Amino acid sequence: GDSVTQMEGPVTLSEEAFLTINCTYTATGYPSLFWYVQYPGEGLQLLLKATKADDKGSNKGFEATYRKETTSFHLEKGSVQVSDSAVYFCALSGGGADGLTFGKGTHLIIQP
Amino acid sequence: GAGVSQSPSNKVTEKGKDVELRCDPISGHTALYWYRQSLGQGLEFLIYFQGNSAPDKSGLPSDRFSAERTGGSVSTLTIQRTQQEDSAVYLCASSLSLSTGSYEQYFGPGTRLTVT
Repeated sequence: GDSVTQMEGPVTLSEEAFLTINCTYTATGYPSLFWYVQYPGEGLQLLLKATKADDKGSNKGFEATYRKETTSFHLEKGSVQVSDSAVYFCALSGGGADGLTFGKGTHLIIQP
Repeated sequence: GAGVSQSPSNKVTEKGKDVELRCDPISGHTALYWYRQSLGQGLEFLIYFQGNSAPDKSGLPSDRFSAERTGGSVSTLTIQRTQQEDSAVYLCASSLSLSTGSYEQYFGPGTRLTVT
């Protein structure tokens, strides 16, 4: 079946550091890929998405590129802020009725 | 516009009692999903509705779990004879119909269930 693997953390960085959270996937066909974010005490929010190979999703300074050759969708941000502290989930959709397949989440802590 | 809403936000129940969790999707979203989020298991997909129909119920953890959706809108997830291992956050999400090719899901705030 489909699966998503991501670094679990916690990942601790200083403010203004460069961020990369790795995500790789296994799926049949051509899945859509997503990053969701969960801020403390809040629900899951869609951060960005990509629906086909070489697509780049971007939002709030975060970016991720759908790399079919490496089955990856790594999340990056050039300069993180304390307010980016949250849990980040990589997910895929095979397009069917099986819901989203999530990674286990990466807890990101940004220190001032 | 209004997002996905869920009620109650928190529920504490005694082992063996039944509980009912409610989800109100985004207006116009015909697809609805239930997930469970727990420390040990991460985010687990439970069930999907297209309209009022759930084509596959095999993701439900046991036969104590059931879900229904009426009028193509509100959905309820019912857990009978609750057990301590049912303690988790239950999340609901909605999306446009899968036939549109849009697979992004929008999540509600969740119901935190604690079974004592």
